[in-house]
Amino acid sequence: AQTVTQSQPEMSVQEAETVTLSCTYDTSESDYYLFWYKQPPSRQMILVIRQEAYKQQNATENRFSVNFQKAAKSFSLKISDSQLGDAAMYFCARASGSARQLTFGSGTQLTVLP
Amino acid sequence: SQTIHQWPATLVQPVGSPLSLECTVEGTSNPNLYWYRQAAGRGLQLLFYSVGIGQISSEVPQNLSASRPQDRQFILSSKKLLLSDSGFYLCAWSVRTNYGYTFGSGTRLTVV
Repeated sequence: AQTVTQSQPEMSVQEAETVTLSCTYDTSESDYYLFWYKQPPSRQMILVIRQEAYKQQNATENRFSVNFQKAAKSFSLKISDSQLGDAAMYFCARASGSARQLTFGSGTQLTVLP
Repeated sequence: SQTIHQWPATLVQPVGSPLSLECTVEGTSNPNLYWYRQAAGRGLQLLFYSVGIGQISSEVPQNLSASRPQDRQFILSSKKLLLSDSGFYLCAWSVRTNYGYTFGSGTRLTVV
C-alpha cells in the first residue's frame, strides 16, 4: 500500500517561535499533489497548503511553508511566528489515483505554548 | 457557491441496527465523492470513492457500503452496525479539473 507517514505524534512550540512538522510518503506515480490539513477541535478539515509534485519551488502561504524533497519523498511543514490559533491536529496527505483520492498520515498534534 | 451538506452531525445507534449517512453537494457537477472515517486520535481512512453515478470503489473491506444514486448525492450505509463502526465520518468532494477538496462537517457515530 502506498502510505503517508508522520513520525511525530505530538509537537509543541512556544508562541512566536518556528516549528517544523515532518511527513514522508510513498508513491509510484509521477503526477500527484501533497497537502497539509489542519483539524481543530471542531474537527473541520482546513487546507493549510498544497504542493504540486511537478513544481520544484516550495509552496508558501503567509506563515506556512513547505520543504518538498521529491527524491527523498519528504514533505515537511514549517510554521513561522506560531500563534495560539495554530494549535490543532495537522495531517499530511497525498492525492493520487484515478479519483485523485487523498491518503492521509496519522497526524501530528501541535500545542502552542503561551 | 459550492457547498457540501452532511447529516446527521451526531448519531448513537445500537449494535445490529442499520445505518444511513447522507452527503449532498451543491454548486458543482460530476464531482468525485469520498467517504472517510476517523477513529479517535487517528488519521483519516478512505472508505469509498466515486467518480460517477453508480460507480463505487471500496478501499477497505468492512461492514459498510456506499451508493451514489444521483450525481451530487453520496450515501454510506450498513445493514447491521458493529461496535468497531464507531468513529467520525467525513464526506468530501473534489472537481476533476484540479486538486481542490471540500470536506463536510462530519458525523460522529457511536455504536452502543
